[in-house]
Amino acid sequence: SQKIEQNSEALNIQEGKTATLTCNYTNYSPAYLQWYRQDPGRGPVFLLLIRENEKEKRKERLKVTFDTTLKQSLFHITASQPADSATYLCALALPDMRFGAGTRLTVKP
Amino acid sequence: EAQVTQNPRYLITVTGKKLTVTCSQNMNHEYMSWYRQDPGLGLRQIYYSMNVEVTDKGDVPEGYKVSRKEKRNFPLILESPSPNQTSLYFCASSFKGRGVSSYEQYFGPGTRLTVT
Repeated sequence: SQKIEQNSEALNIQEGKTATLTCNYTNYSPAYLQWYRQDPGRGPVFLLLIRENEKEKRKERLKVTFDTTLKQSLFHITASQPADSATYLCALALPDMRFGAGTRLTVKP
Repeated sequence: EAQVTQNPRYLITVTGKKLTVTCSQNMNHEYMSWYRQDPGLGLRQIYYSMNVEVTDKGDVPEGYKVSRKEKRNFPLILESPSPNQTSLYFCASSFKGRGVSSYEQYFGPGTRLTVT
């Protein structure tokens, strides 16, 4: 069956550390993968897109990697801040859009 | 301001009473989509539309209808709502990708629906 799994439901880290979130998928061949941030009660907000022929993408303190052999994407937030606390979703672009269930990140001061 | 709007934001209704949730975008996006979000299940796509008069089923289309008569609007219709359709609904839009569904999506603020 087709699945998208994000490594954990919740992740707690200390301010200043690097947060690493994982997105694994099976039986899909996405052309690209996206990461979104969602705050409670609000719609997701797009962060980064990475294509199948790209290994890594960066935007300010964010970095995404995409390994189509392992069928995995890693999402890193460096020098994390309490304001980074939110749920992060990965999404695969297929004929339709498939989202992971999300990882709730809490950054403690 | 570029945005996706949804109405109503909150709705409480009874089983079987037809309802429509409207969605509108002002970015000239070809692609529009509806999702529902439930605890532990994440975002699941209901229907999507690649352009005017073109709609396709997503992951969970049962009990829903959509139409795309104009580029900017994509209403979600529940002909006979049931309690299992109680959920948080999001509309989204984007430019259409080449051969795939979409590039970055812009989401609306959400509609919280309760069916009793």
